[in-house]
Amino acid sequence: GQQLNQSPQSMFIQEGEDVSMNCTSSSIFNTWLWYKQDPGEGPVLLIALYKAGELTSNGRLTAQFGITRKDSFLNISASIPSDVGIYFCAGRSIQGAQKLVFGQGTRLTINP
Amino acid sequence: DTAVSQTPKYLVTQMGNDKSIKCEQNLGHDTMYWYKQDSKKFLKIMFSYNNKELIINETVPNRFSPKSPDKAHLNLHINSLELGDSAVYFCASSQGRLAVQELFFGEGSRLTVL
Repeated sequence: GQQLNQSPQSMFIQEGEDVSMNCTSSSIFNTWLWYKQDPGEGPVLLIALYKAGELTSNGRLTAQFGITRKDSFLNISASIPSDVGIYFCAGRSIQGAQKLVFGQGTRLTINP
Repeated sequence: DTAVSQTPKYLVTQMGNDKSIKCEQNLGHDTMYWYKQDSKKFLKIMFSYNNKELIINETVPNRFSPKSPDKAHLNLHINSLELGDSAVYFCASSQGRLAVQELFFGEGSRLTVL
């Protein structure tokens, strides 16, 4: 099946630092989504991207739909303790339009 | 109001038993899904239903049988539970059928098979 390669798998940062993570696919995607999962909860949608080159912000979060349509990036600026969690990219390809495939997740840990 | 709700949140059972997980969404969405999250947190789609019609069945063992009595409900029944079935099962919903947009997830049902 289709695979998304998300990196890094984990990050350990100091409070206040900026964070970057990315996701790549082997095929062209029409939609990129970024989710956050807190312990014991379901993933919650952060940002949705629908157009190549699109750059969208949600507070301190910014995500971009790569020009090649095979990648996406998520940046978090000035991290705070509540940013801790697992971040997932998800995408919809042309071939598999009826489902979202997910990356392996990036586990973010913040030292106060 | 919880948009996507699933019950139970925790389920502990013995190998060989049969169990069910229920899901309901009040978002008015047409499509509902079951995802499985393993111990490494990898999320993998199992099934999707659109207006009670099975759309996706991702090579899931026959012991897993989804049932959608109406478009707001999607239940998951598992027969003859195995140790490897231990995971967190997430229900989700989205609008549209031909091309899935944003998924909205429930809080998950953690299944532990002993």
